[in-house]
Amino acid sequence: QKEVEQDPGPLSVPEGAIVSLNCTYSNSAFQYFMWYRQYSRKGPELLMYTYSSGNKEDGRFTAQVDKSSKYISLFIRDSQPSDSATYLCAMSALPGFQKLVFGTGTRLLVSP
Amino acid sequence: DGGITQSPKYLFRKEGQNVTLSCEQNLNHDAMYWYRQDPGQGLRLIYYSQIVNDFQKGDIAEGYSVSREKKESFPLTVTSAQKNPTAFYLCASSMGQFLNTGELFFGEGSRLTVL
Repeated sequence: QKEVEQDPGPLSVPEGAIVSLNCTYSNSAFQYFMWYRQYSRKGPELLMYTYSSGNKEDGRFTAQVDKSSKYISLFIRDSQPSDSATYLCAMSALPGFQKLVFGTGTRLLVSP
Repeated sequence: DGGITQSPKYLFRKEGQNVTLSCEQNLNHDAMYWYRQDPGQGLRLIYYSQIVNDFQKGDIAEGYSVSREKKESFPLTVTSAQKNPTAFYLCASSMGQFLNTGELFFGEGSRLTVL
């Protein structure tokens, strides 16, 4: 079993929809959680960073962590075609970047 | 503009050949990383360096080598000992070593295909 599980998609939604992207994990020691966005043939870029549990909001994006269920989510409100990308979750038990464990990514397609 | 430059973007190699991927950053970051990305798998860490003239193996270092002679440069050599070298390779850097002090900045990647 992988430490981090993520549905590869693709997830297809119409413009304006609310998108929910999710990751589950097995290591209860994870406490640092990140979401990255990766456009085709590009490197990932950080969208959201959360430490421990709770919610964090940034514009149209909300990151949610439920440590009791070992489940994290990224919500995108009013989705746009420019949101079409692969979304990677990443998490770590320890604070060093070298300890990050990445999910496989979910491909999101937002149609106009 | 500050950022990370990887070259070449696309590279073809015959079996048995070594190849070196370039990674240069002008962000003045201390730490640099090499990841490999394969379909159906998350990013996997090959090597990382937290300071000049020092580097550490990541999770999948076998068949790879690196050097860190300058702060801004962290080249990756894919040797003939790497059994499945065809992949998308990503270089990244960070200001510090810790997640709560900054973020990973990635280059645009190099796609290596072994013929």
